[in-house]
Amino acid sequence: SAVISQKPSRDICQRGTSLTIQCQVDSQVTMMFWYRQQPGQSLTLIATANQGSEATYESGFVIDKFPISRPNLTFSTLTVSNMSPEDSSIYLCSVVGAGFTEAFFGQGTRLTVV
Amino acid sequence: AQSVTQLDSHVSVSEGTPVLLRCNYSSSYSPSLFWYVQHPNKGLQLLLKYTSAATLVKGINGFEAEFKKSETSFHLTKPSAHMSDAAEYFCVVSGRSSGTYKYIFGTGTRLKVLA
Repeated sequence: SAVISQKPSRDICQRGTSLTIQCQVDSQVTMMFWYRQQPGQSLTLIATANQGSEATYESGFVIDKFPISRPNLTFSTLTVSNMSPEDSSIYLCSVVGAGFTEAFFGQGTRLTVV
Repeated sequence: AQSVTQLDSHVSVSEGTPVLLRCNYSSSYSPSLFWYVQHPNKGLQLLLKYTSAATLVKGINGFEAEFKKSETSFHLTKPSAHMSDAAEYFCVVSGRSSGTYKYIFGTGTRLKVLA
C-alpha cells in the first residue's frame, strides 16, 4: 500500500486567486492522478500527472486552469488558478503502484471559494 | 473507452438484511474492477478488487462481488447489513483508454441502513 500526504486539508480562498495543492507519497509509484469531487457527487478525473512532462488532461479540464507538476516519482502538485465559487470542491490525489492494481487516495483538499 | 454504471443512486436496507449494490461496466479490454467506500467526511477505502483471477471476490467487512462477463456486471453484496455500512459506494473500472491508463468512477450509490 501507499501512504499519501495531501496538503492543505482544507482552505477558504478569495475568488480570482490561486491555490496549490501538494501530494507526497511515501514510496515510488507508477502513476499519479488528480480528481475533483463536487458536493454530493462522484469523482471526476482531472488529469494524469506525468513525471517530467506535461500532464494528460481529461475533456473539460485545461492546463491554464489546472496546472500540474510532477518533478519525481513521489510528489505532485495541482494548482487551481483564477478561482471562482464553481471551483469549490474536494480535490483528491491518487496513486497507483507497479502492476496497475488498486489506486490509493489521499484524504483530499476541501476547497471553498468565496 | 471504458465506463461503469451504478444502477441505483440510493439503496435503503434494514439492519441484518442483505445488501445488493449493482454495477455494470463497459470495457474494450479485460477490465480490472473495484469497489470503494466513502464514509461521510472520510477518505476512500478499497473494499475489494477483481483483476482477472477468481470471479468471486471477497473483500473487507463481509462484502463480496462477483464478476460476470456475460452480463458485464460486478455487483456488490453483503449477507447482513450493519449500521456502520451506511456510506457512499463507488464502482470503479480501470484500464487503458485513449493511450493512458485510467481509473473511472461510477456515479456512486448511497447506502442507508435502517435500525
